[in-house]
Amino acid sequence: EADIYQTPRYLVIGTGKKITLECSQTMGHDKMYWYQQDPGMELHLIHYSYGVNSTEKGDLSSESTVSRIRTEHFPLTLESARPSHTSQYLCASSASPGTGMSTEAFFGQGTRLTVV
Amino acid sequence: AQRVTQPEKLLSVFKGAPVELKCNYSYSGSPELFWYVQYSRQRLQLLLRHISRESIKGFTADLNKGETSFHLKKPFAQEEDSAMYYCALSAHSGNTPLVFGKGTRLSVIA
Repeated sequence: EADIYQTPRYLVIGTGKKITLECSQTMGHDKMYWYQQDPGMELHLIHYSYGVNSTEKGDLSSESTVSRIRTEHFPLTLESARPSHTSQYLCASSASPGTGMSTEAFFGQGTRLTVV
Repeated sequence: AQRVTQPEKLLSVFKGAPVELKCNYSYSGSPELFWYVQYSRQRLQLLLRHISRESIKGFTADLNKGETSFHLKKPFAQEEDSAMYYCALSAHSGNTPLVFGKGTRLSVIA
């Protein structure tokens, strides 16, 4: 079934640890995004990609990095987690106009990260 | 730069009452406007977009370029409409990432 998957759903980790949040989509989309969202608050774009080997930083400054080696996979890495990184991270994907697919963004379930 | 403003953080209405969630945007080009909804313990999902001009779950939204608004309306609120609603904009006819407003929590009281 076409979907967008994020793992883990919840993560509690100690300060200084390296973590990778996984995001995969089987929608056939070329565009993928990472948003940061505090509970009940607005979404801030932190990274996006328009295709393999293409990544861009979003509006919100972030110490995380991303990679796009495969179309369907867009992991986000924090080299050294800090309590200020505690938040919910949402991954999304969409199709480009002209591909025949709807251009709406589809979101994953999110990863709730707590750094202690 | 694009900006989306949702002036109400919380909106409480009685069941059966009309609902209007306000959204104003700032962008000089041709934006594509969306409403996304997040029900409790569910993922963020598209409710409607201005180019489709559909009514979804009784909700409608009209793009008013003169007032740069995209308010979400429903004539009779239902309890199951209680959720977080986000207005979003994509510049260049959908070719750029979505910019979201801060969201409005709608609470429908029985």
